[in-house]
Amino acid sequence: GEDVEQSLFLSVREGDSSVINCTYTDSSSTYLYWYKQEPGAGLQLLTYIFSNMDMKQDQRLTVLLNKKDKHLSLRIADTQTGDSAIYFCAVSGGSYIPTFGRGTSLIVHP
Amino acid sequence: DARVTQTPRHKVTEMGQEVTMRCQPILGHNTVFWYRQTMMQGLELLAYFRNRAPLDDSGMPKDRFSAEMPDATLATLKIQPSEPRDSAVYFCASGPGQGDTEAFFGQGTRLTVV
Repeated sequence: GEDVEQSLFLSVREGDSSVINCTYTDSSSTYLYWYKQEPGAGLQLLTYIFSNMDMKQDQRLTVLLNKKDKHLSLRIADTQTGDSAIYFCAVSGGSYIPTFGRGTSLIVHP
Repeated sequence: DARVTQTPRHKVTEMGQEVTMRCQPILGHNTVFWYRQTMMQGLELLAYFRNRAPLDDSGMPKDRFSAEMPDATLATLKIQPSEPRDSAVYFCASGPGQGDTEAFFGQGTRLTVV
């Protein structure tokens, strides 16, 4: 089955850019998502990208997809303390069932 | 404000008791997912429904877990009997089921089995 890997922690200074990386194994993955989970809450979809795209930008968020290396990244520009959360990478293919990574805890310090 | 509603938000129960978790998907969504989140395993898919029919429940321990959708507005996840290792946060998510299935998550049920 699909395997999605993420680093567990990322610490950045307020105002810097954050880059959260994700790798996956199934080359037929069609939809790739980034979700955000704040403490005590469910997962909230931040953005997604189709496999036929290389990049997608949405305000402070930039998603980059390297299909050859099966690598997905999420860049948050001008990171704020309110961006502190767990970020999940998820991918789905023909079954449309998202498989999630373990999540990356983003810690933003002053 | 459309959202997925899960009840209860928190549940503490004794080992051996039956636990029922409920989910109200977003009106009009025809796909429902149940996920379990633990520190050790992360997010695991337990069950997946489309148009109320279970399509994938391979991630669910069959001997004690059961998932149903009695109607389009209610999904249930039952554990009988519950065990301490079932302690986790259980999330329900629903999706429109059209092509890119964006999953909208509820706030979860935090289950503690003592």
